Amino acid sequence: AQSVTQPDIHITVSEGASLELRCNYSYGATPYLFWYVQSPGQGLQLLLKYFSGDTLVQGIKGFEAEFKRSQSSFNLRKPSVHWSDAAEYFCAVGVNNDMRFGAGTRLTVKP
Amino acid sequence: KAGVTQTPRYLIKTRGQQVTLSCSPISGHRSVSWYQQTPGQGLQFLFEYFSETQRNKGNFPGRFSGRQFSNSRSEMNVSTLELGDSALYLCASSLSGQVYTDTQYFGPGTRLTVL
Repeated sequence: AQSVTQPDIHITVSEGASLELRCNYSYGATPYLFWYVQSPGQGLQLLLKYFSGDTLVQGIKGFEAEFKRSQSSFNLRKPSVHWSDAAEYFCAVGVNNDMRFGAGTRLTVKP
Repeated sequence: KAGVTQTPRYLIKTRGQQVTLSCSPISGHRSVSWYQQTPGQGLQFLFEYFSETQRNKGNFPGRFSGRQFSNSRSEMNVSTLELGDSALYLCASSLSGQVYTDTQYFGPGTRLTVL
């Protein structure tokens, strides 16, 4: 079945530590891949997207993501987390011109 | 440039009632998409409008409907509300609605509570 999976419901990291959020997808072809962030009481903001080309994608706020076709993964990374990064993160796939979202990973940042 | 605005931000209704939510896209954007966000089902695509025409529709019952006006503003309507319709309804706008190439800009959402 077609799906987007974010295995981690909740992750806690210390401020300044590195971060990796996992995303796996299950679709027939290479889909269009996105990462969004949602702060409490806010809508979603696009962090980055991948369509083709270089498999390492740079986004806003210091985030990057790497597409690995062999693993059907599109993991989000940040070298040093800031307290303001605490939010919910959604991986999404573009399919038939609509978006399919993962269940989200809530990030807590410890001081 | 003003962002996507949604009104009202919060709404409380009772079962069986109907509700209309409004979304004003970013100026110049012609595509508006609607999503439902719940703790149990996550974010689910409802439908997308472009130039007053519904182009895509998600897997929701006919109680959920929408429309888009000539100024690109969009409304969604839910009739005969059920408890399970309680959710955050998000609207997103983009220039042409091509998910693969356009960036979607999301509004803050309307929190609907059905009692």
